[in-house]
Amino acid sequence: DGGITQSPKYLFRKEGQNVTLSCEQNLNHDAMYWYRQDPGQGLRLIYYSQIVNDFQKGDIAEGYSVSREKKESFPLTVTSAQKNPTAFYLCASSYGPFYEQYFGPGTRLTVT
Amino acid sequence: GQQLNQSPQSMFIQEGEDVSMNCTSSSIFNTWLWYKQDPGEGPVLLIALYKAGELTSNGRLTAQFGITRKDSFLNISASIPSDVGIYFCAGQTNAGNNRKLIWGLGTSLAVNP
Repeated sequence: DGGITQSPKYLFRKEGQNVTLSCEQNLNHDAMYWYRQDPGQGLRLIYYSQIVNDFQKGDIAEGYSVSREKKESFPLTVTSAQKNPTAFYLCASSYGPFYEQYFGPGTRLTVT
Repeated sequence: GQQLNQSPQSMFIQEGEDVSMNCTSSSIFNTWLWYKQDPGEGPVLLIALYKAGELTSNGRLTAQFGITRKDSFLNISASIPSDVGIYFCAGQTNAGNNRKLIWGLGTSLAVNP
């Protein structure tokens, strides 16, 4: 079955530690995205990638980093520089840049 | 970042009632997308609209792309308990050859059985 997987579903970290969230897709999509969702709020774009080895900052990129070494994979690192890292993180992919996006199940990150 | 005006913010209805929600913007969009998010899960695409005036159905869901290209609505007929969730609209814009997807803040739907 084609789809997007994110792991783990729940992640706990201590303040000051970097943490990497996984996102894999087998839809053969060129574009991939990372969003952050806070309670009662909409989706805010962190980073996106339209093609392998290329990515652009979204609206809230500070404190985050990404890589796109393979078409299927777009990991997100939440660094210790991110002031409020506790949130629900969603990965998405699309056939072309900002076409219909298909989402993974999300990772809930809690930093204490 | 830029956002759409999505209303209502929340709805509490009785099972069997029809539901209507909409999104408006001051910008013109080329595509409108409607998603549903269940608690703790990722959004799922419900309907995609590509042309002004287009009316598309998906089961009990109907969505329309406004004639002015600045709005869209989603209707749910005969609601059932599994319709509970947050519904998001998203509009695609090609501002200066830089395609973007702008998101509404969501409509939270609760259904009383």
